[in-house]
Amino acid sequence: DAGVIQSPRHEVTEMGQEVTLRCKPISGHNSLFWYRQTMMRGLELLIYFNNNVPIDDSGMPEDRFSAKMPNASFSTLKIQPSEPRDSAVYFCASSLETTNTEAFFGQGTRLTVV
Amino acid sequence: GENVEQHPSTLSVQEGDSAVIKCTYSDSASNYFPWYKQELGKGPQLIIDIRSNVGEKKDQRIAVTLNKTAKHFSLHITETQPEDSAVYFCAAHFNSGGYQKVTFGTGTKLQVIP
Repeated sequence: DAGVIQSPRHEVTEMGQEVTLRCKPISGHNSLFWYRQTMMRGLELLIYFNNNVPIDDSGMPEDRFSAKMPNASFSTLKIQPSEPRDSAVYFCASSLETTNTEAFFGQGTRLTVV
Repeated sequence: GENVEQHPSTLSVQEGDSAVIKCTYSDSASNYFPWYKQELGKGPQLIIDIRSNVGEKKDQRIAVTLNKTAKHFSLHITETQPEDSAVYFCAAHFNSGGYQKVTFGTGTKLQVIP
């Protein structure tokens, strides 16, 4: 398996624009996580899905952020409208089970909002 | 919720010396403790993990110890090499309602000086 695949690797957008980040988890994994990483706040869990269903979205910062998982092999994280403070590296991770197992991270998407 | 503290935030060691990174957690229900290594431009990758029924685990130059009573766990790297330079994250997992909750430490930037 190629691992967790995220696209794009880098995204530069203007404030107010919509941004969509994409993730393909490892085949067979039933849990998917979206994280945001910044120097100030470290790694923050935004949302996680189990069997395509959102289980915990308490980390989503505000209504401008939304995430979907229409099927077991694809998820999106959308920011609309984007703001400069959204600039960060966004990671998607997947794991095989819901409890007590390793998470496999993608390479991340570096988002810059100008 | 769970609170994970990680120290130090930065660590410089001479090649060949040992490095120790410590984490404490607050929720006694936490039962799985992975350590991740993040190299520049990449996502975190698991290097070793330990479960609550084990006190110590070793894998070549890397070891992890867990003190459940004191609620702290540590990563030990012996005979450090330049390629060990990276950011290391600890994490604590606990189960809530049949699903896992994960909290990451704030990371330790390790620099191994040749």
